[in-house]
Amino acid sequence: GAVVSQHPSRVICKSGTSVKIECRSLDFQATTMFWYRQFPKKSLMLMATSNEGSKATYEQGVEKDKFLINHASLTLSTLTVTSAHPEDSSFYICSASKGDHEQYFGPGTRLTVT
Amino acid sequence: QKEVEQNSGPLSVPEGAIASLNCTYSDRVSQSFFWYRQYSGKSPELIMSIYSNGDKEDGRFTAQLNKASQYVSLLIRDSQPSDSATYLCADGSSNTGKLIFGQGTTLQVKP
Repeated sequence: GAVVSQHPSRVICKSGTSVKIECRSLDFQATTMFWYRQFPKKSLMLMATSNEGSKATYEQGVEKDKFLINHASLTLSTLTVTSAHPEDSSFYICSASKGDHEQYFGPGTRLTVT
Repeated sequence: QKEVEQNSGPLSVPEGAIASLNCTYSDRVSQSFFWYRQYSGKSPELIMSIYSNGDKEDGRFTAQLNKASQYVSLLIRDSQPSDSATYLCADGSSNTGKLIFGQGTTLQVKP
């Protein structure tokens, strides 16, 4: 058990457009979901923590109006990158927790903004 | 602020040897620790969790926790080239559920 999916796995978009990434826990209910980004050869950087039905808590320096997070159910969270720019190109990874501190990661979404 | 430190490596071991990966943590009251494996271009995968002092074994992997010295280690026996990856140590003791990651150790297993 503890499978997390992400969709899409890869997306290319034009500068100024918005992109939505979905994260689903397939075989468990996730009390909390997390969104990370990772640049090549760099560490994971936590962007925000979201609980179902609540507003997301963003890490310092992450623009909440640019990275919109919705956690509508115990199995689905979405991250929307609004007005994307080339510097937003990165590997976005979600994780989900059952509430026991273990986090299970999705396969990631590679975003390229041209 | 909680911190987790790892040697970035690379740690190079021959196939069949034991690979020993270490990390130290700053918060002496931390209770939960995790080891993740991340292959290049992929997302992290949970391989071990440990909550109590001592050793925890799972197949070729053994996690060790020493709370007095504030270090966590991961031993990989009979290392295989497929074990070549970055290994992330994480402190999971935050009451927000957040994980505090080390910077990761790159392991290279040479055939």
